[in-house]
Amino acid sequence: GAVVSQHPSRVICKSGTSVKIECRSLDFQATTMFWYRQFPKQSLMLMATSNEGSKATYEQGVEKDKFLINHASLTLSTLTVTSAHPEDSSFYICSARGGVTEAFFGQGTRLTVV
Amino acid sequence: AQKITQTQPGMFVQEKEAVTLDCTYDTSDPSYGLFWYKQPSSGEMIFLIYQGSYDQQNATEGRYSLNFQKARKSANLVISASQLGDSAMYFCAMRRARALTFGSGTRLQVQP
Repeated sequence: GAVVSQHPSRVICKSGTSVKIECRSLDFQATTMFWYRQFPKQSLMLMATSNEGSKATYEQGVEKDKFLINHASLTLSTLTVTSAHPEDSSFYICSARGGVTEAFFGQGTRLTVV
Repeated sequence: AQKITQTQPGMFVQEKEAVTLDCTYDTSDPSYGLFWYKQPSSGEMIFLIYQGSYDQQNATEGRYSLNFQKARKSANLVISASQLGDSAMYFCAMRRARALTFGSGTRLQVQP
């Protein structure tokens, strides 16, 4: 099946710094990718929809200036957490749709802000 | 608005037995897709099975089958012959536009 690769898998950063997370579709083109956040012992919540060549669509309550999304090519979307704070510590995971019946996920990134 | 409900926060099953994980959904769309994912402690989301709203037959994938009851708006996952490696979180999800809406999940623990 199609593969989505996410990097890094874990990152620890200092409060106030920015962190970039990459999501790549390895063997198919993804015009649309999705970014989710998962707090401990909770479900996945959609943050934003990343559209190749255009602005991302953010879910209600998600700060677009804090969570910058860039989808510069058909195989790469990036999420940058700007001026990270401890409350941004979470599990971030991307997905790309490979077809009608498919939704492939990256391995996820565990972000810890200290 | 679409909503997915998983009422079982945790389930236990003996190894080699079958287990059913419940999922109900609510949507006004006539066309939709339902997914089940397994999330082990590593965090990755492993696709298990898909059911389309117009599919006439229940989906099956190896030891996984989906008991789809459209009138009741339920899409329960049945795992047959449970294995120790099946211990994980299981999420039911519905496709909304092109993104997925997830239920709260069920933690399954398989006991030897």
